[in-house]
Amino acid sequence: AQSVAQPEDQVNVAEGNPLTVKCTYSVSGNPYLFWYVQYPNRGLQFLLKYITGDNLVKGSYGFEAEFNKSQTSFHLKKPSALVSDSALYFCAVDDNYGQNFVFGPGTRLSVLP
Amino acid sequence: DGGITQSPKYLFRKEGQNVTLSCEQNLNHDAMYWYRQDPGQGLRLIYYSQIVNDFQKGDIAEGYSVSREKKESFPLTVTSAQKNPTAFYLCASKWSASGRNEQFFGPGTRLTVL
Repeated sequence: AQSVAQPEDQVNVAEGNPLTVKCTYSVSGNPYLFWYVQYPNRGLQFLLKYITGDNLVKGSYGFEAEFNKSQTSFHLKKPSALVSDSALYFCAVDDNYGQNFVFGPGTRLSVLP
Repeated sequence: DGGITQSPKYLFRKEGQNVTLSCEQNLNHDAMYWYRQDPGQGLRLIYYSQIVNDFQKGDIAEGYSVSREKKESFPLTVTSAQKNPTAFYLCASKWSASGRNEQFFGPGTRLTVL
């Protein structure tokens, strides 16, 4: 069965510093991986996805993610964090049947001014 | 939040009542989903539908019911059998069954049981 882990409940980073939000996965075939962001009392917004090809995926709002097959990871990164990036971030993997996602538990990012 | 609307934004229910949450999409997506989110927790799948007039139970379907009579609409009914329904409910949709496609989410409905 597919699964997703986000090992950090909370990540704190100073504004202007690089940020990383970690995600590891377990799938039985080729993974389709996704990152979403959620602001308070809002729905999830899609940031980026990895399907195939280049291991470095660029997405919305300056975010990027690096797919590492040997480490089964898909960490979200941004070179310079903004206070407005403070939110809840979810990693997700497709269930290989194309029917549903498996979401990680979420990581709360706080960017301090 | 794309072309997905959820209503109402806030909903209050008395114990023993059934309530229905609306989800509509104008993205021409085949698949639609309902999730429940509790404070500090991730998303749990309630029901999903890949096609009109067909739907499947997710991980926590007990106490909930759905219908998919139109491609655009996927309403969720929270029945009195759901023992702890206070939560944030999210609807999502995506293009058909391909796993390559991302889900698009609505803005959510916050349900509170009085």
